[in-house]
Formats: sequence, structure tokens, C-alpha cells
Amino acid sequence: AQSVTQLGSHVSVSEGALVLLRCNYSSSVPPYLFWYVQYPNQGLQLLLKYTSAATLVKGINGFEAEFKKSETSFHLTKPSAHMSDAAEYFCAVSDQGTGTASKLTFGTGTRLQVTL
Amino acid sequence: GAGVSQSPRYKVAKRGQDVALRCDPISGHVSLFWYQQALGQGPEFLTYFQNEAQLDKSGLPSDRFFAERPEGSVSTLKIQRTQQEDSAVYLCASKLTLGRGQSIAQETQYFGPGTRLLVL
Repeated sequence: AQSVTQLGSHVSVSEGALVLLRCNYSSSVPPYLFWYVQYPNQGLQLLLKYTSAATLVKGINGFEAEFKKSETSFHLTKPSAHMSDAAEYFCAVSDQGTGTASKLTFGTGTRLQVTL
Repeated sequence: GAGVSQSPRYKVAKRGQDVALRCDPISGHVSLFWYQQALGQGPEFLTYFQNEAQLDKSGLPSDRFFAERPEGSVSTLKIQRTQQEDSAVYLCASKLTLGRGQSIAQETQYFGPGTRLLVL
């Protein structure tokens, strides 16, 4: 069984500060890992994904994440927060298999607040 | 539109009422997933379709939940005799390929905006 743990249900940073959202996963098989962002009353938008190629993954809006197998982590970072980054962020894991094996298992989410 | 659409966006039902939630995936996408997102939680898997075949319904919480995709495109999630614990956002996602694709775009699940269900 797979699982995802997101440490910190709420994170608050100042505009221009570093953003760090933590994600640890558990998987018995090599995983695919994802970060999604959800704005109020909207669906989930993919920020970035790890699919066993480069361990440092760059996504949209200046976000990036690094896959660390030894730490079973996939933390999301952004060097400088912008007010528009305020949203809910979800880390997710899936198998590398086909069909239903690609279903996503999500963490409970981290709400990012950006202050002036 | 090019994205996944869902209707209705909001639904208020009285306890015991039946509801039907619709998902229009991106045209040509083979895989279709339904997820349930309770307030303050991450989405949880409900069921998976490969074209018209429902290959995994392990996440459906009870036999009151039923999903179909008869022609391999539009899907409907039906909840019979709704209960207050069914209140949640129901998300639909579609994906182009069955699994390992040729590009990141093919591997990505694209989500609709969701249907927010409130059972009173």
C-alpha cells in the first residue's frame, strides 16, 4: 500500500521568502510522485512530477522538487514566494504500472499563506 | 473547451435523495478516475475506467455508489439514498494513456473543477 505524509497543514511565509512544503511517501514499488495545486473552488492543477528520470524536477510557476530515495521525500520549494502562490498544495504518489495502478494516493494537503 | 468538465458544479440534496454527477473527460482520453475529497482532506480514489470498462471500484464507500461510462467518454457517478457523510467534492480526472506514455503530457491526470455535494 502507498501513503503520503505532508508535514504541516498550514504554512505561512512572507512575500519574497523561500517556500518549503514537505512530503514524505511510502511505497513498496518504485513510485511516481506529483505535486498538485488547488485554488479555491477549482480543480487540481499539476505543478510537477517525478517519473524516475532526473531527481530534481522543475515545474510551473517557479516551483521545483527533489526526489530523495534515501529519505523517501519529495519536498516542494520555490525561492521567492508571490502572493498568487497562496493555495492548497497536495503531494501524491502512484505506481509506475498501467491502468488502475496509476491511481493517485494523496496527502492531506498543505495550505500556503503568503503575507506582505 | 479542452479541459475536463463536470456538472453540476454544486448540488444540494436532501438526505435519502438520489443524485447523479456528470464528468466530460478530455476527448480521446482512455483512462478516467473519480475521487472524493472531504472537507480539509486530500482526494481519495473511488473508481477507475479504461474506456467503457470499470476495472477498479475498490474505493467506492458503499453499494449506494455506482459509476458508469457506457460509451467510453462521458461518465456518471450516481449516489443513491444520499447520507450526510456523502457531503464532499467529487473530482473527475482523465488521462490519455493506460500507463507508461511517450511524454509527460500523456502520463498526467487532468482534473475537472469538481462537483460540491451537500447533503442536508
